[in-house]
Amino acid sequence: EPEVTQTPSHQVTQMGQEVILRCVPISNHLYFYWYRQILGQKVEFLVSFYNNEISEKSEIFDDQFSVERPDGSNFTLKIRSTKLEDSAMYFCASSELVEDNEQFFGPGTRLTVL
Amino acid sequence: RKEVEQDPGPFNVPEGATVAFNCTYSNSASQSFFWYRQDCRKEPKLLMSVYSSGNEDGRFTAQLNRASQYISLLIRDSKLSDSATYLCVEMDSSYKLIFGSGTRLLVRP
Repeated sequence: EPEVTQTPSHQVTQMGQEVILRCVPISNHLYFYWYRQILGQKVEFLVSFYNNEISEKSEIFDDQFSVERPDGSNFTLKIRSTKLEDSAMYFCASSELVEDNEQFFGPGTRLTVL
Repeated sequence: RKEVEQDPGPFNVPEGATVAFNCTYSNSASQSFFWYRQDCRKEPKLLMSVYSSGNEDGRFTAQLNRASQYISLLIRDSKLSDSATYLCVEMDSSYKLIFGSGTRLLVRP
């Protein structure tokens, strides 16, 4: 069964450092998303991406964040200068269609900012 | 502000029990709703979509009440493996998912 994969599973970084979280969406999917979940809190939408551009971003997704689809398979989330409050689980998701369709989630990357 | 509200629980029930969760949503324009299941420190996984006509998948029944803006999930004959957090999720008009905080279910032997 096809699945979304994410690497690394756990990333530890120092405050102020740049991190890149990687995702490989399901191959025939066209819509890609990043969500995050701070420990003990709800899953929050960060950004959606379609046709090589951002469709929508939340207020969390400020200038420190960027997304890219550098090739035909990877979808990355970059945080330029990490803050302590960026520590969270980051989930990538993809869907084949956009409306009324299941978004498949990857296993997540746990980001710890020290 | 668009919110999905759920009782955090935990609901602690014996095996074989029937348990029901409700959630409310504030955005009357939203069209699609889902129940996701999340195990500890894992990704959310779709349990079922929710339709106004009600839908059933084995032991699970979901219902949407648009007039009252609430969604329900009924689990019959609870199994130990049903222990998890159940997330009520709304898809808004821009197709992003808005998650509730989740309801924890503990099924005991």
